[in-house]
Amino acid sequence: DVKVTQSSRYLVKRTGEKVFLECVQDMDHENMFWYRQDPGLGLRLIYFSYDVKMKEKGDIPEGYSVSREKKERFSLILESASTNQTSMYLCASSLRSSAGSEQYFGPGTRLTVT
Amino acid sequence: KNQVEQSPQSLIILEGKNCTLQCNYTVSPFSNLRWYKQDTGRGPVSLTIMTFSENTKSNGRYTATLDADTKQSSLHITASQLSDSASYICVVSGLTGGGNKLTFGTGTQLKVEL
Repeated sequence: DVKVTQSSRYLVKRTGEKVFLECVQDMDHENMFWYRQDPGLGLRLIYFSYDVKMKEKGDIPEGYSVSREKKERFSLILESASTNQTSMYLCASSLRSSAGSEQYFGPGTRLTVT
Repeated sequence: KNQVEQSPQSLIILEGKNCTLQCNYTVSPFSNLRWYKQDTGRGPVSLTIMTFSENTKSNGRYTATLDADTKQSSLHITASQLSDSASYICVVSGLTGGGNKLTFGTGTQLKVEL
């Protein structure tokens, strides 16, 4: 079974803090993704990566950066957290970038910025 | 603009009853459509994938249909159980020059009651 784990289930940070969200997958997947999920808006893609040290902007990359130093690990960084970044963050991975590849999701990190 | 609209937004049914969730999309060119189930506090899990040539696909008590001409899909749940209480998300994959792009619906929140 594919397993995608995220470092924290719940996180509370203060405005202006630097925040790291970690994601690890154990199935040697090439592709990894970071989404945020907000009520009424669905999942929105922040960044994705098709290979180690490779990253591509998604639909809402502003205020975020990512790092992929190893194939199994994909980190999302909030350089200076703001209250409008309070959200549920979901990491996903998939085997290939082809249209039919299923994305496997982690359990999510609920981040609150005060 | 690619969009995926789901209806209803929320639904309450009694255990043992059937229900149907709807998904309309404007994604073009179309590649495939997935239905995901997201339990509270967990990441989404794929239930079924529909490609252009498929009309119906079943996964246990879940049956998905696709009408590629009208760009509509439905997810029918038979003999509902309490464990079916979750958010059901329709995700459409569209072909782009750089690969596939996913467009997410905002989900239907289903609650099954005794």
